Amino acid sequence: EIVLTQSPGTLSLSPGERATLSCRASQSVSSSYLAWYQQKPGQAPRLLIYGASSRATGIPDRFSGSGSGTDFTLTISRLEPEDFAVYYCQQYGTSPGTFGQGTKVEIK
Amino acid sequence: EVQLLESGGGLVQPGGSLRLSCAASGFTFSSYAMSWVRQAPGKGLEWVSVISTIGGSTYYPDSVKGRFTISRDNSKNTLYLQMNSLRAEDTAVYYCATAHDFWSTYYLNWGQGTLVTVSS
Repeated sequence: EIVLTQSPGTLSLSPGERATLSCRASQSVSSSYLAWYQQKPGQAPRLLIYGASSRATGIPDRFSGSGSGTDFTLTISRLEPEDFAVYYCQQYGTSPGTFGQGTKVEIK
Repeated sequence: EVQLLESGGGLVQPGGSLRLSCAASGFTFSSYAMSWVRQAPGKGLEWVSVISTIGGSTYYPDSVKGRFTISRDNSKNTLYLQMNSLRAEDTAVYYCATAHDFWSTYYLNWGQGTLVTVSS
């Protein structure tokens, strides 16, 4: 099973700032099969990114994903008030698909 | 608009059973593999089952294999999860989700979830 480690655990930033979230895999993620989700309190997760860098339908272009192999990054270019949430990465290249433990982006 | 509405959660004693349902609308249900994903209180996400478009193939992680059974009724646009021999560690919010694929999948759309609490 591939273990995903997300860092930092919590990111304290102000609206308008840039957020950089990391997801590191215990072994190479096949075909860059990595996704990112956003979850707000009391809500279901929402798909942001799949295939490491492809934005899901309706996702603003301030969200971008990059990386390959074992190191992946989600970047939010300029934080909007609605972006403060928990973000999870997920690898789906090797069964069973696994999730990281999450990064909380909070208002500073 | 895609809608997934879970139901059937509640309080159950250890060793008990529960059946979850997920009513789908706003898309062609029979065209998508479907999954259940759970989230223990204050914790991260864990995939617990996937079923192919016509229900002929299913897959589970070791943590629930032999205890949980996923099924679907395409005529009713409904997904099910039968959970038997429940344990305290099965306590979680259970989400149904549309899967991009059967084997290597991310999750396109999610329901709001239903809470399952396993406790005496």
